Amino acid sequence: EAGVTQFPSHSVIEKGQTVTLRCDPISGHDNLYWYRRVMGKEIKFLLHFVKESKQDESGMPNNRFLAERTGGTYSTLKVQPAELEDSGVYFCASSKVLGQTYEQYFGPGTRLTVT
Amino acid sequence: LAKTTQPISMDSYEGQEVNITCSHNNIATNDYITWYQQFPSQGPRFIIQGYKTKVTNEVASLFIPADRKSSTLSLPRVSLSDTAVYYCLVGGMNSGYSTLTFGKGTMLLVSP
Repeated sequence: EAGVTQFPSHSVIEKGQTVTLRCDPISGHDNLYWYRRVMGKEIKFLLHFVKESKQDESGMPNNRFLAERTGGTYSTLKVQPAELEDSGVYFCASSKVLGQTYEQYFGPGTRLTVT
Repeated sequence: LAKTTQPISMDSYEGQEVNITCSHNNIATNDYITWYQQFPSQGPRFIIQGYKTKVTNEVASLFIPADRKSSTLSLPRVSLSDTAVYYCLVGGMNSGYSTLTFGKGTMLLVSP
């Protein structure tokens, strides 16, 4: 079974540019999450999809961030325009069912550097 | 969400048993305790989860006392490849879905 994949693994952009991160969850996983770790900080939750619906986007920092999951499969996270403080590692995770488990499967992350 | 406190770092030698304790004094009745492991340049990986008493799987054991205000992750006979950051997370189900709240974690360094 393939794991969660993320693309690109690393992106370097200039302030003001746009970047789109992609996440492919494990096949059959309805739940998809985005997290990020900015430099020196803890991993923070951004948002949660159930299929194509946003279940919780309380962690999204501002309206420069837009997440989509059309068709309930892969998801994209767009940052437009990027700012210096957006630099960090963006993780995607997925899980199959909700219930009495916090087991989420994480991807390797996308390292975003804004210069 | 319950706040967790765990050691910033721990050192061990290969073959030893490592116990990492996490404090969560304000854990709620419906909260579960979950541990994740993270290697450099990788995403966190689920290790174990429990609610009370003891849980064991092929990787680790989780000990939770009756008051549930702390928990201990036990890694038997660690190897160099167990060098990683270990996160203790506490949380409950809310409206049927779950999100993870990570703290600073414990950096475990295993030496030969």
